This record gives sequence, C-alpha cells and structure tokens, in this order.
Amino acid sequence: SQTIHQWPATLVQPVGSPLSLECTVEGTSNPNLYWYRQAAGRGLQLLFYSVGIGQISSEVPQNLSASRPQDRQFILSSKKLLLSDSGFYLCAWSTSGRLGDEQFFGPGTRLTVL
Amino acid sequence: GENVEQHPSTLSVQEGDSAVIKCTYSDSASNYFPWYKQELGKRPQLIIDIRSNVGEKKDQRIAVTLNKTAKHFSLHITETQPEDSAVYFCAASIRSGTYKYIFGTGTRLKVLA
Repeated sequence: SQTIHQWPATLVQPVGSPLSLECTVEGTSNPNLYWYRQAAGRGLQLLFYSVGIGQISSEVPQNLSASRPQDRQFILSSKKLLLSDSGFYLCAWSTSGRLGDEQFFGPGTRLTVL
Repeated sequence: GENVEQHPSTLSVQEGDSAVIKCTYSDSASNYFPWYKQELGKRPQLIIDIRSNVGEKKDQRIAVTLNKTAKHFSLHITETQPEDSAVYFCAASIRSGTYKYIFGTGTRLKVLA
C-alpha cells in the first residue's frame, strides 16, 4: 500500500532563517506531487506541483521554492523565512497520467515563524 | 481564472439534522469533484467524490449531487452526529494538463449534541 511521509511534524524558526521540508511517498511510482499551505483557520492554497523529476510548477509568487530530486521525494525550501510563511504545510500525491483521481495528503508540518 | 466558491463558511446543526454544503466552480472542463474532511490539526481525508458523468452519488449518510449546467455541486450529510464536526473542503479538477485541483475555502461544521 502507498504511504506518504512528511518531516518534521512541527518547526519553529526565526524570521530570516532558511527552511527545508521534506515529503516522501512509498508504494507508488511516478506520482504527481503537490505542496499546499494552510493558514490558521483558512483553506488550502496550492503552492507547487510536480509531474516528474525536476519538473516544478509554481502557483503563486513567493519566497518559497520546491525541488524534486528523486521520483518520490518532494522538498519545499526557503532561503529566508518571513512571518507570513507560518502555517500548516501539506504534501500530497496522486496517480500520474490520470486526471480526476484522489489526492492523498501527508500528515503535514506545522511551521511557526517568530 | 479558475475558482471554486464554497458556502457557508460555518454551519451549526443539531445532532440528527441534515447539513448541506454548496460549491460552485468556474471551469466548465472540470470533470472530478472530491470532498475532503479535515479534523482539527489533522490532514484532509477524502470522504466522497463524483465524476462529471454522474449526477448523484451516495455513501451511507453522505451524498453528493452535481449540476453540470449550473456548475455547482453539493455535499449532503444526513442524521448528523457529533463526530461529523470538522472542516469540509470541496475541490474541482482543472483540465489543463497539469492534474491540479482548486479547493474551496472550507466549511466549519459543528454538530450540537
């Protein structure tokens, strides 16, 4: 069966510090991968998605970046965090090549920028 | 641009009553409409979905209806229970070759015992 992991589960970082969040998927190959951010009490904002290794699409301008160095690994990064980067970051995957399939979410990383 | 509107933002019902959450979408090419339930501090989980070739789908106390002409779909929960309390998100697929989904802003459902 497929599983999706995210780490760390929680993170407290000072403004201006770098960020690296990691997401890995097991039990499937060539998945579509997604990064979402959820501000407190708000909806899901799509940040990045990837349909293959090295292929990244950005949805909103921001100081975050994403990379997919391996088929089942998706990384969210920042060189300098802002207060507004605080939130609940969710990674998700879906089956590639098929439009209209369930997205499976990871457990999330709660980031607090102070 | 692509957009999904969701109403209401909050909904309180008495235990045993029904709850209805409505969403409208803008992209007429959307063909897949999932509903997710998110409990406090946890990940969203799929509870039901519907494809554009179907008008209604039911799974026990949960049902979803789709009106393609009007571009709206709704979640119906009958005989609500306290454990139904959560935030519910609708979403619509975007047929742009990118396999992405646009989510609604969420509805916080409170079932009062």
